[in-house]
Amino acid sequence: AQTVTQSQPEMSVQEAETVTLSCTYDTSESDYYLFWYKQPPSRQMILVIRQEAYKQQNATENRFSVNFQKAAKSFSLKISDSQLGDAAMYFCAYRTIYNFNKFYFGSGTKLNVKP
Amino acid sequence: DGGITQSPKYLFRKEGQNVTLSCEQNLNHDAMYWYRQDPGQGLRLIYYSQIVNDFQKGDIAEGYSVSREKKESFPLTVTSAQKNPTAFYLCASTPHSPYGYTFGSGTRLTVV
Repeated sequence: AQTVTQSQPEMSVQEAETVTLSCTYDTSESDYYLFWYKQPPSRQMILVIRQEAYKQQNATENRFSVNFQKAAKSFSLKISDSQLGDAAMYFCAYRTIYNFNKFYFGSGTKLNVKP
Repeated sequence: DGGITQSPKYLFRKEGQNVTLSCEQNLNHDAMYWYRQDPGQGLRLIYYSQIVNDFQKGDIAEGYSVSREKKESFPLTVTSAQKNPTAFYLCASTPHSPYGYTFGSGTRLTVV
């Protein structure tokens, strides 16, 4: 089974600075999807960004971008110009193309943003 | 606006009671899911349903039951057989496509 590892339980960043959250995964599949979800204190899970494994270009969404290293099985999230509203738990997730019901989540990274 | 509605937001259960968590979506999504979230852990899949009148066990189905009588609704019952039910429960849905989930706002269940 696929596993997703987030090795940083908690991180802090100064407002307006840049921070990178790490995620690694283990799979024998060649095609799959990767996601970053944000869970603010309200507990609602919000999709931040999505990456298809067959695409070499890294996905970007405004201040959020990923560094997808397929060979290294690494999928890090970079948040630029951090804002107080970025403070949340961030979860990395893997979805296999062979069974859309199979989603694998990491244990999460808590991001603190200091004013 | 389309979305997923979970109710109630907070729920308290006495020992030996069954309780039902509601999940309704108006996104016309085919598949629906229930996840459990414990502190310091990721999400663990309880049950999922791909179509009406069909559902499958996830990784931690023991002590839980579900039904899918309507496409829009996927209620979760936490039975007395679930020995440690205190947790945050998230419902999600997705069309049959490689997109990510849409999540509800969750239900916090506490045993008293």
